[in-house]
Amino acid sequence: QSVLTQPASVSGSPGQSITISCSGSTSDFGTYSYVSWYQQHPGKAPTLILYAVGNRPSGVSTRFSGSKSGNTASLTISGLQAEDETDYYCSAFTPTDSWMFGGGTKVTVL
Amino acid sequence: QVQLQESGPGLVKPSQTLSLTCTVSGDSVTDGGYHWTWIRQHPGRGLEYIGSIYHNGRPDYSPTLKSRVTISVDKSKNQMTLIVNSVTSADTAVYYCGAATVVTYSFDYWGQGTLVTVSS
Repeated sequence: QSVLTQPASVSGSPGQSITISCSGSTSDFGTYSYVSWYQQHPGKAPTLILYAVGNRPSGVSTRFSGSKSGNTASLTISGLQAEDETDYYCSAFTPTDSWMFGGGTKVTVL
Repeated sequence: QVQLQESGPGLVKPSQTLSLTCTVSGDSVTDGGYHWTWIRQHPGRGLEYIGSIYHNGRPDYSPTLKSRVTISVDKSKNQMTLIVNSVTSADTAVYYCGAATVVTYSFDYWGQGTLVTVSS
């Protein structure tokens, strides 16, 4: 089963922008656009914040944006706020590997 | 609005079988709107895909768990079931059921999760 690679931690000061990367190891990852991002607060279930690379579900802050280039997808949080301090996971689906998850990134607001 | 609720025993003995149920409300498990999925999270670790029932009824399993896992749906109860055989301490985790849309393959809905501990 393929695994997506995320940095273990990313930090930034309030108001700054940070970017979390998500790299796939298979050629399929570069081809498909079924990449999604999840936010997970401690003791809670993950919640969807981006789907299909850069689309936000209704109610998700516009401070969250996504992109993808080749085998790497990225989540950018703009105007970092204290409430953004938590864990973030990327996920991707390919017909050959079904769903894959990244190892998660802990965001710290300095 | 889809709602998911996991249920099952919180403690399972090693070598025994783990069985969890996900009760779905707001949609039908057999009407093709979502791929119904089980995901787990070991304590302090990341998310791990266990398997799914695709919208067309076809099951899919993680290669690492395929030999021990069965996922099925019960239309009459609108539930999805996970069975994991021959459990070990490595199966101790929070188990989530999720609903992935058939168009974008994103998990729009999650249950609150249920902690399963494997211990004698």
